[in-house]
Amino acid sequence: EIVLTQSPATLSLSPGERATLSCRASQSVGTYLAWYQQKPGQAPRLLIYDTSNRATGIPARFSGSGSGTGFTLTISSLEPEDFAVYYCQQRSNWPRTFGQGTKVEVK
Amino acid sequence: EVQLVESGGGLVQPGGSLRLSCAASGLTFGNYAMTWVRQARGKGLEWVSTISGNGDQTFYADSVKGRFTISRDNSKNTMSLQMNRLRADDTAIYYCAKGGHMSPFDIWGQGTSVPVA
Repeated sequence: EIVLTQSPATLSLSPGERATLSCRASQSVGTYLAWYQQKPGQAPRLLIYDTSNRATGIPARFSGSGSGTGFTLTISSLEPEDFAVYYCQQRSNWPRTFGQGTKVEVK
Repeated sequence: EVQLVESGGGLVQPGGSLRLSCAASGLTFGNYAMTWVRQARGKGLEWVSTISGNGDQTFYADSVKGRFTISRDNSKNTMSLQMNRLRADDTAIYYCAKGGHMSPFDIWGQGTSVPVA
């Protein structure tokens, strides 16, 4: 099983700041890495797929990069609605696995 | 607009069974793999099971293998998850999601709650 480790667990930032979230895989997942956003009481929402492709309707302030075992989700300038939990997920191997999540909270 | 609506959740005793359903609209259902993902209260996301578009391939997490069965009826645009021998640690919100085989989970339902107690 591919283990995805996200860091940090919590990121405390102010609106307008840049957020950088990391996801590290226990073995290579190629570029088959996605990022999801989840707000309290809501279902997850796909943000980024295949490392760097924004899903439909996702603002350009969200970007993804990386390959192999190291990946980054960057939010260039935090908007109030961006404070949430973010998960990475791989579809390179079965079982599909998620990281444990990074909470982006208001500082 | 693609919509996924789960149903069938509810309180069940340990050792009991429950069948979840996911009704899809706004898409050519049989063209897409479908997946169940669950989330225990206050915890992260856990992939449970995926079924291919035509239903000929199924995949399961080790934690549910042998107890849960995923299926689909493309004529009715529905996917199901038959859950047997339920345990307390199966307690979670269960989401259905589009994709998961050769694509990400790009559309999610609102989830259905399954407390096992």
